[in-house]
Amino acid sequence: EIVLTQSPGTLSLSPGERATLSCRASQSLSSSYLAWYQHKPGQAPRLLIYGASSRATDIPDRFSGSGSGTDFTLTISRLEPEDFAVFYCQQYGSSPLTFGGGTKVEIK
Amino acid sequence: EVQLVESGGGLVQPGGSLRLSCAASGFTFSSYNMNWVRQVPGKGLEWVSYISSSSSSIYYADSVKGRFTVSRDNARNSLYLQMNSLRDEDTAVYYCARGYSTSSVSPLRYWGQGTLVTVSS
Repeated sequence: EIVLTQSPGTLSLSPGERATLSCRASQSLSSSYLAWYQHKPGQAPRLLIYGASSRATDIPDRFSGSGSGTDFTLTISRLEPEDFAVFYCQQYGSSPLTFGGGTKVEIK
Repeated sequence: EVQLVESGGGLVQPGGSLRLSCAASGFTFSSYNMNWVRQVPGKGLEWVSYISSSSSSIYYADSVKGRFTVSRDNARNSLYLQMNSLRDEDTAVYYCARGYSTSSVSPLRYWGQGTLVTVSS
């Protein structure tokens, strides 16, 4: 099973600031099958990034993903008020699918 | 518009059973692989099960293997999760989710709103 470790656990930032979230895999991910999701309380998770760096449909370009192998990053260039949430990385290249533990981005 | 609507959640005693359903609409259900994902209150997301479009491939998380059974009815555009021998730690919101594409390797693009399962005496 591929274990995904996200850091930091919590990020306290102000609107307009840049957010950098990290996801490290316990083994190299084939073809960068790494996705990022945003999850708000009471809502369904929302796919942001897939293939490590491709934005999903209707996702604003302030969200970007990078990385390969075992180290991946989600960057939010300028935080909008609606961006504050929990973010998860997920690998979908091998079974079982696994999620990281999440990074909470909260308003400072 | 793609829609996934879960139902069947509720309160059940430890050792009991529950069957979740997911009604799909807005796409050709029979062409897509489907997944169940859960979130224990206050915790992160956990993948539970996968079923291919034709039901030929099925996978489970170790935590539910032997207790949960995933199935689908393509004629009814419905996905199911039969949960037996339920434990306290199965308490969670259960989501059904569809991949971005019909590929067997696809991120989860569409999600339902979830149904809450509470296992408690």
